[in-house]
Amino acid sequence: GNSVTQMEGPVTLSEEAFLTINCTYTATGYPSLFWYVQYPGEGLQLLLKATKADDKGSNKGFEATYRKETTSFHLEKGSVQVSDSAVYFCALSDQGGSEKLVFGKGMKLTVNP
Amino acid sequence: GAVVSQHPSRVICKSGTSVKIECRSLDFQATTMFWYRQFPKKSLMLMATSNEGSKATYEQGVEKDKFLINHASLTLSTLTVTSAHPEDSSFYICSARDPGTGHTEAFFGQGTRLTVV
Repeated sequence: GNSVTQMEGPVTLSEEAFLTINCTYTATGYPSLFWYVQYPGEGLQLLLKATKADDKGSNKGFEATYRKETTSFHLEKGSVQVSDSAVYFCALSDQGGSEKLVFGKGMKLTVNP
Repeated sequence: GAVVSQHPSRVICKSGTSVKIECRSLDFQATTMFWYRQFPKKSLMLMATSNEGSKATYEQGVEKDKFLINHASLTLSTLTVTSAHPEDSSFYICSARDPGTGHTEAFFGQGTRLTVV
């Protein structure tokens, strides 16, 4: 079945450090890929998405590229801020939309000033 | 974006009692809502798909009689954990899609931390 494997934390970085969170997936067909973020005390929010190979999703300085050849969707940000402290989830949907999302385990990021 | 509100955020109950968790879409009508469960250090796992006006669709391995889902209106779905036991302690999260966004994004509630003692 479909699955998502992502880096497990927790991870602590200093402000302005470079961030990479690895995410790889196993799926049949052509899934859509997502990164969700959960800030403390809040629900999950969509951070970015990509619906086909080579698409790049971007938002709030974060980027991720849909790599079909490596079945990956790594999340990157060049310079993190304290406000980026949150839990990040990689997810896929096998129906082209956001039905039946399959999630990774999530990774908690803490950014210190 | 659209708002999904989940209540309560935390609940502690005794073994054998039932607990109801509410999930509301505040500014849109959701014909479909999803219920997830998250165990410590594990992925969110889809439990069931809640369909307004009809029976929920449960994922394999999820007990229908244990986790009762009601989606009586376009803005409210409830999950009732019946005869709760300590192994039901977990983090439960609901989500809904906003038809106005073309179903390209799911909006999530804040989650409910259930502790059964």
